[in-house]
Amino acid sequence: GAVVSQHPSRVICKSGTSVKIECRSLDFQATTMFWYRQFPKKSLMLMATSNEGSKATYEQGVEKDKFLINHASLTLSTLTVTSAHPEDSSFYICSARDSYTEAFFGQGTRLTVV
Amino acid sequence: DQQVKQNSPSLSVQEGRISILNCDYTNSMFDYFLWYKKYPAEGPTFLISISSIKDKNEDGRFTVFLNKSAKHLSLHIVPSQPGDSAVYFCAASERDSGYALNFGKGTSLLVTP
Repeated sequence: GAVVSQHPSRVICKSGTSVKIECRSLDFQATTMFWYRQFPKKSLMLMATSNEGSKATYEQGVEKDKFLINHASLTLSTLTVTSAHPEDSSFYICSARDSYTEAFFGQGTRLTVV
Repeated sequence: DQQVKQNSPSLSVQEGRISILNCDYTNSMFDYFLWYKKYPAEGPTFLISISSIKDKNEDGRFTVFLNKSAKHLSLHIVPSQPGDSAVYFCAASERDSGYALNFGKGTSLLVTP
């Protein structure tokens, strides 16, 4: 299957700083990528849909100024958590689809804000 | 509001027996359904999918059944193996929504030797 690479896998940052997470589709072009967040023992919650060359579409309740998404090319989307706080600590996962039949996920990023 | 529901948070099955994981959905516009397997601190791994025009799809030990009238799907794993122990997520998507996946809360499967 297609490969989606997410980096970094783990990051610890100080409260008030910003963190950037990268998501790359390695062997296909993804016009649309998705960012999910998973809380402990909870489901994967869609945060936003990232569209190449245009603004991201955010789900209700997700602060677009806190979670900046940029989809600069057909193979790269980034999520920047700005002015991070401990409540932003979570597991963030990106996803991309090369067709309608499957969606491939990155390895996820464990963010800890101290 | 949770549109995809997995009402069993956990399931324990003996090795060699059948594992049946259930999933219900509320949005009748969903037209594609997927099952994912997930280990802690890793991204989900795709297992098997089914289109709403079908009622069954089989891939090796994994079979997914879809009952559209009941808005219910299930994943059968037979025979179950200890390596199948993981959290299984059911997901659904609607073509018109741009392919975003709606996930259930997951079912933790434990296959015991």
